[in-house]
Amino acid sequence: SAVISQKPSRDICQRGTSLTIQCQVDSQVTMMFWYRQQPGQSLTLIATANQGSEATYESGFVIDKFPISRPNLTFSTLTVSNMSPEDSSIYLCSVGGGLINEKLFFGSGTQLSVL
Amino acid sequence: GENVEQHPSTLSVQEGDSAVIKCTYSDSASNYFPWYKQELGKRPQLIIDIRSNVGEKKDQRIAVTLNKTAKHFSLHITETQPEDSAVYFCAASSYNTDKLIFGTGTRLQVFP
Repeated sequence: SAVISQKPSRDICQRGTSLTIQCQVDSQVTMMFWYRQQPGQSLTLIATANQGSEATYESGFVIDKFPISRPNLTFSTLTVSNMSPEDSSIYLCSVGGGLINEKLFFGSGTQLSVL
Repeated sequence: GENVEQHPSTLSVQEGDSAVIKCTYSDSASNYFPWYKQELGKRPQLIIDIRSNVGEKKDQRIAVTLNKTAKHFSLHITETQPEDSAVYFCAASSYNTDKLIFGTGTRLQVFP
């Protein structure tokens, strides 16, 4: 499986600020996804990061709040904008999946706390 | 869209007993069903998966069964050990949507 590095691993942020989370994979991957895991909850898909085009967002998530970049096949960023305490969650990038149901593997996650 | 329900939300067993976690899905086009284990403070780890052309798959103490007609699949852990204690998530995806939808999770506790 691919080695997925995610940073920062954790951060404490002030309300109204923004945080950019980076996800680096050690090999080229077709599909990259961003998930959110609220405390004690399941994993919710935020968006699919598409290389060379805009990300595809799930219902309830918008580009203005969660802008995503995917400049190449090994790297993606997720920004959490204008943060509020409700954004306190673990954010996970994942790679794999795809039209042939490739196995999905997760990065180590970013624990975000918003004060 | 796809909806995945998972039961039970918590499960406590004695070491050596078996544990069974069940999931149902709504989209008949779903054809891939993985299971993830998440230990406290760690990322979800893929432990086993099954595709719709197979009814059962086993890997040592872990097995997954799939009933396409009833649209449900289950995780079976035999001879449970304390290190099996974690949160387990089922998921489903289809060839059409190419993304995983997760169940709500089951917290498994194995008591020595």
